[in-house]
Amino acid sequence: NAGVTQTPKFRILKIGQSMTLQCTQDMNHNYMYWYRQDPGMGLKLIYYSVGAGITDKGEVPNGYNVSRSTTEDFPLRLELAAPSQTSVYFCASKPGQGLNEQFFGPGTRLTVL
Amino acid sequence: TQLLEQSPQFLSIQEGENLTVYCNSSSVFSSLQWYRQEPGEGPVLLVTVVTGGEVKKLKRLTFQFGDARKDSSLHITAAQPGDTGLYLCAGARAAGNKLTFGGGTRVLVKP
Repeated sequence: NAGVTQTPKFRILKIGQSMTLQCTQDMNHNYMYWYRQDPGMGLKLIYYSVGAGITDKGEVPNGYNVSRSTTEDFPLRLELAAPSQTSVYFCASKPGQGLNEQFFGPGTRLTVL
Repeated sequence: TQLLEQSPQFLSIQEGENLTVYCNSSSVFSSLQWYRQEPGEGPVLLVTVVTGGEVKKLKRLTFQFGDARKDSSLHITAAQPGDTGLYLCAGARAAGNKLTFGGGTRVLVKP
């Protein structure tokens, strides 16, 4: 199993550009998450999904959108990039409801100039 | 609002020394997890504690959940350079579908 994979690893955007961060997991996990991590800080939840077709907002959803058309994929969309969205973005998944471990991808480092 | 406060934010010690990282909240959590994150990688789970007063040991690491389930600590005995990393606590409520992360403690163990 590859686990949780994210692409791209790095990206530089200009203000106002849009992009999609890709996340795929091959563990057949129902729950998937998007976090952002600012330098030297903890993780903040952007959006999460408990299954295909179901998404919900986290702590910091403004400026982002998600979709979950399949169990495997959970892309994160930035429509109008702003410097405040410069961060490292992590995707994570877990099997289901409860105290399961969240498995994290390697992250995407995004810079908005 | 930071619901989980970690202290200290940064800790630099010599190999062989002991260290303790604290995770505090004014809110009650049904469970708490500790993750370690190395540069350029995602966090990896170390332990989950669910019962107030619970103590778990993982080799040289000792984790404790406070009696009131509002705080937790991570103690490392005889730290090694391989223990270097960012330690994150994360609390869950009720069904545990979402985690609230602390701000992290960056630990540097010098040889």
